[in-house]
Amino acid sequence: AQSVSQHNHHVILSEAASLELGCNYSYGGTVNLFWYVQYPGQHLQLLLKYFSGDPLVKGIKGFEAEFIKSKFSFNLRKPSVQWSDTAEYFCAVNAYDYKLSFGAGTTVTVRA
Amino acid sequence: GAGVSQSPRYKVAKRGQDVALRCDPISGHVSLFWYQQALGQGPEFLTYFQNEAQLDKSGLPSDRFFAERPEGSVSTLKIQRTQQEDSAVYLCASSLGGGGGPADTQYFGPGTRLTVL
Repeated sequence: AQSVSQHNHHVILSEAASLELGCNYSYGGTVNLFWYVQYPGQHLQLLLKYFSGDPLVKGIKGFEAEFIKSKFSFNLRKPSVQWSDTAEYFCAVNAYDYKLSFGAGTTVTVRA
Repeated sequence: GAGVSQSPRYKVAKRGQDVALRCDPISGHVSLFWYQQALGQGPEFLTYFQNEAQLDKSGLPSDRFFAERPEGSVSTLKIQRTQQEDSAVYLCASSLGGGGGPADTQYFGPGTRLTVL
């Protein structure tokens, strides 16, 4: 079974700062990779996904993620955060099957 | 509807009570998933349906947990004789196809927060 680790539990930063959230997974085969976001009081929403092709994936709201196969990583980035990016971010993986394995999540707080 | 809906949104049960949680997936979605999210953790897989067939129930924590999707649309997760450790958010997700391909992005509902006293 695959496992997912997210490096940071809580990140606090100011508006306009750059954001990078780490995600590593443990599985040697082909994987599908996802970042989901949960804004306060809302449900999990898909930010972006990687299935194949260009390892640099662009998602909604200016987010992007880079799949580095040799490092088993799928880090999420945003060059300049806004207060509205305050949310919890989850990295998730599925491999040969449909089950999503999630990391524990990273809470991002953006100070205005 | 436009998205996955779940009801009730909040449920408080006394220990030992049975509860039933409902999920309405996106219309036309073949696959339906249940996940359990404990406080401060990511969601963990419970069970998976493709149409009305329950293809995987390996994540159900005990035989007190039971899920069904009799007509291939609405699903119910039932927990019998609830225990305090069952307190969590129960998430339902649906996807258009089945099997982990590009069509199979899972779309999540708002969840049901279960508190067992």
